[in-house]
Amino acid sequence: AQKITQTQPGMFVQEKEAVTLDCTYDTSDPSYGLFWYKQPSSGEMIFLIYQGSYDQQNATEGRYSLNFQKARKSANLVISASQLGDSAMYFCAMRQIRDDKIIFGKGTRLHILP
Amino acid sequence: EPEVTQTPSHQVTQMGQEVILRCVPISNHLYFYWYRQILGQKVEFLVSFYNNEISEKSEIFDDQFSVERPDGSNFTLKIRSTKLEDSAMYFCASRKTGGNTEAFFGQGTRLTVV
Repeated sequence: AQKITQTQPGMFVQEKEAVTLDCTYDTSDPSYGLFWYKQPSSGEMIFLIYQGSYDQQNATEGRYSLNFQKARKSANLVISASQLGDSAMYFCAMRQIRDDKIIFGKGTRLHILP
Repeated sequence: EPEVTQTPSHQVTQMGQEVILRCVPISNHLYFYWYRQILGQKVEFLVSFYNNEISEKSEIFDDQFSVERPDGSNFTLKIRSTKLEDSAMYFCASRKTGGNTEAFFGQGTRLTVV
């Protein structure tokens, strides 16, 4: 069965520092996609970045990059030069190609300190 | 930029009443989803919809729930007889096509059952 694990319920980081949010996953399907979503206090779910299981390079999207280590089944999100507006809940998620659902981890609440 | 829109943003209903949550997915997307998030908890998959039929559903999606695409643009979730435990944020999502493309979420409808 597929599973997403986020072991950090909360993190406090100083503004302008880089931050790494951990995510490990479990699947028996060789073809899958990994996602990160940001949920600010207003509640909406904002797509940040996507990594396919067959992608050779780590995904990057502006200040966001995904540190994809396939053998370790990890897909950590790295935010460079954090900003106060990065304070939010962050969800790691996965979809197996054979399924039609995305499953989410429990999330990490990130607090950026001025 | 195209986006998924949901209405209403907040709905309060009495226990036992029927509610319909509405979504307009991104226009060229083919796969549609409903998720829910009970306050402070993880995001849970409810149902996926493709080619005018349900492709997958979770055990949460029991006979009280139904989905419909009544026309070419709307995608609705109906809860027939709401219970207190149905109080949650409900997210609609859509994605473009096959493979592991990312899903884009609406801003959510907060349902409060009293």
